[in-house]
Amino acid sequence: NAGVTQTPKFRVLKTGQSMTLLCAQDMNHEYMYWYRQDPGMGLRLIHYSVGEGTTAKGEVPDGYNVSRLKKQNFLLGLESAAPSQTSVYFCASSQGSPGEQYFGPGTRLTVT
Amino acid sequence: SQKIEQNSEALNIQEGKTATLTCNYTNYSPAYLQWYRQDPGRGPVFLLLIRENEKEKRKERLKVTFDTTLKQSLFHITASQPADSATYLCALWRSSSASKIIFGSGTRLSIRP
Repeated sequence: NAGVTQTPKFRVLKTGQSMTLLCAQDMNHEYMYWYRQDPGMGLRLIHYSVGEGTTAKGEVPDGYNVSRLKKQNFLLGLESAAPSQTSVYFCASSQGSPGEQYFGPGTRLTVT
Repeated sequence: SQKIEQNSEALNIQEGKTATLTCNYTNYSPAYLQWYRQDPGRGPVFLLLIRENEKEKRKERLKVTFDTTLKQSLFHITASQPADSATYLCALWRSSSASKIIFGSGTRLSIRP
């Protein structure tokens, strides 16, 4: 089992560009999450999903959109990137809530 | 506003001693509390979950306490080893809803031989 995988691992964007981060899990988990982690701050929840076809806002959803068309995939989109979105993005999944969250390796995004 | 505080400075412990990390919170009433370990450049790894009606939870060399009166959780690693060196994060859930989770910024633990 690969667990939780994230694509890409690194990305540099210019302000105003768009991109999609892909998260995939092979554990048949119902819940999936997107977080961002900034220096000196805890992980902050961006969006989450409680099942295929559902999404919900977390603590810091502005500037991001998500989709969960398939149970195993959770996509995070940035429509118009801003320097404030420079961060490390982590995807996670869990079977229940609250549950043991399995995290991916992260995507380091820099917006110039 | 809701706030979680973990030891802001790194903790340096001699191998074999017990490491104790703290997680304090204010303006929050968690129903659940989790501890995660994070190594540099990697995602967090789940360690333990404790519920508000549980005082203590153990797993091998790890022990977590949860005091809702003091609004504090303590995380202990007994017989610490250099391999225990990492950043440890606490996470609070106000309910079973995923929207109610907040993480602390973590405490960096170093175990010297």
